[in-house]
Amino acid sequence: SQQGEEDPQALSIQEGENATMNCSYKTSINNLQWYRQNSGRGLVHLILIRSNEREKHSGRLRVTLDTSKKSSSLLITASRAADTASYFCATDELTSGSRLTFGEGTQLTVNP
Amino acid sequence: DTGVSQNPRHKITKRGQNVTFRCDPISEHNRLYWYRQTLGQGPEFLTYFQNEAQLEKSRLLSDRFSAERPKGSFSTLEIQRTEQGDSAMYLCASSLRAGKNTEAFFGQGTRLTVV
Repeated sequence: SQQGEEDPQALSIQEGENATMNCSYKTSINNLQWYRQNSGRGLVHLILIRSNEREKHSGRLRVTLDTSKKSSSLLITASRAADTASYFCATDELTSGSRLTFGEGTQLTVNP
Repeated sequence: DTGVSQNPRHKITKRGQNVTFRCDPISEHNRLYWYRQTLGQGPEFLTYFQNEAQLEKSRLLSDRFSAERPKGSFSTLEIQRTEQGDSAMYLCASSLRAGKNTEAFFGQGTRLTVV
């Protein structure tokens, strides 16, 4: 079953703009991970944020985690056309044995 | 290429036939996962192995599905008597269980179409 809910379901922006995607989840977690998926392809790991972390950066990516609200956000700054993809959050739940529970994803389109 | 490898990339089969997919994880990874993804949805967990032991199976994994990882290296996922509802992308991932917080690396997936 899907734990996460992602918002928005679809986002269309112009190149150079920032893109923000949100994820909410329901249970206690070890960590939350963000993945990218190009159409019809496998998932590429972007960033992992642990439950005791509040913010993490990697290049043009910034991830926040609020465990009290059970929510996370992914910010992509200075977007490029190549960032066009689906973005998924996935939670590693405390009781899961390390399987990931994915949200339904946000489809990001960056227009050149 | 030292990533997770899945074969075949695409499979078209007639309803009622059996299919088998293979996953070769990253060589030093001791955990291997299978997920299923339908169009417009996120991946859903099916099962995972630590070394050769199958530690967890989802309720999605009906008795027509079986997965093996005989020597703790590659894994196979077999679907018997396929149904049209089995059409999906089957994704394999592997990770190194070196602590609580480890990332999973995914293969390119096998897209199954049941006609």
